[in-house]
Amino acid sequence: DSGVTQTPKHLITATGQRVTLRCSPRSGDLSVYWYQQSLDQGLQFLIQYYNGEERAKGNILERFSAQQFPDLHSELNLSSLELGDSALYFCASSVGGAVGDTQYFGPGTRLTVL
Amino acid sequence: EDQVTQSPEALRLQEGESSSLNCSYTVSGLRGLFWYRQDPGKGPEFLFTLYSAGEEKEKERLKATLTKKESFLHITAPKPEDSATYLCAVQPNDYKLSFGAGTTVTVRA
Repeated sequence: DSGVTQTPKHLITATGQRVTLRCSPRSGDLSVYWYQQSLDQGLQFLIQYYNGEERAKGNILERFSAQQFPDLHSELNLSSLELGDSALYFCASSVGGAVGDTQYFGPGTRLTVL
Repeated sequence: EDQVTQSPEALRLQEGESSSLNCSYTVSGLRGLFWYRQDPGKGPEFLFTLYSAGEEKEKERLKATLTKKESFLHITAPKPEDSATYLCAVQPNDYKLSFGAGTTVTVRA
């Protein structure tokens, strides 16, 4: 158990809908990262927050957005969902925001878009 | 662009048969190379971080090494519980991890 929690574990929804994924980092960690893992793309970095502020952006679609709250939990919002958005979404956290910090991953949310 | 290539894609081992996994990378300014283990449907589990060429880290039957162009994960006398997908990731001078596609290891009793 990494100490990172994610809810829900599974989510099934329809195309065009909007969903919110939630992540609580390990106690004391200030950085949160979001990743998408699909069968054909592998693990892809989406976005990072450090202490409430966006720090880095990866291959995140404009339909997706995220935020980190004062209690350091984070939410990833996915809107206008398409079939291709079906994937595992992982949250990771690290102690600080320094490059080279070890990232610890949560158990993931499996999103299925029908 | 950062590139991480892992080989082989799949590895089938007999229990006790030692082997090595390769991770070759092209990155501008490596700040860290990470090895993770991932079981099906689960999140990646952290194994090792390597920061500079020549560095080695060990944990139970696993040993990771790093050169300027590649990293190896050696599995010594593997057991069936070592069956998993092993992921290599590099972090250049920014905050994102770039992952390889992974090597799926199956250890038969």
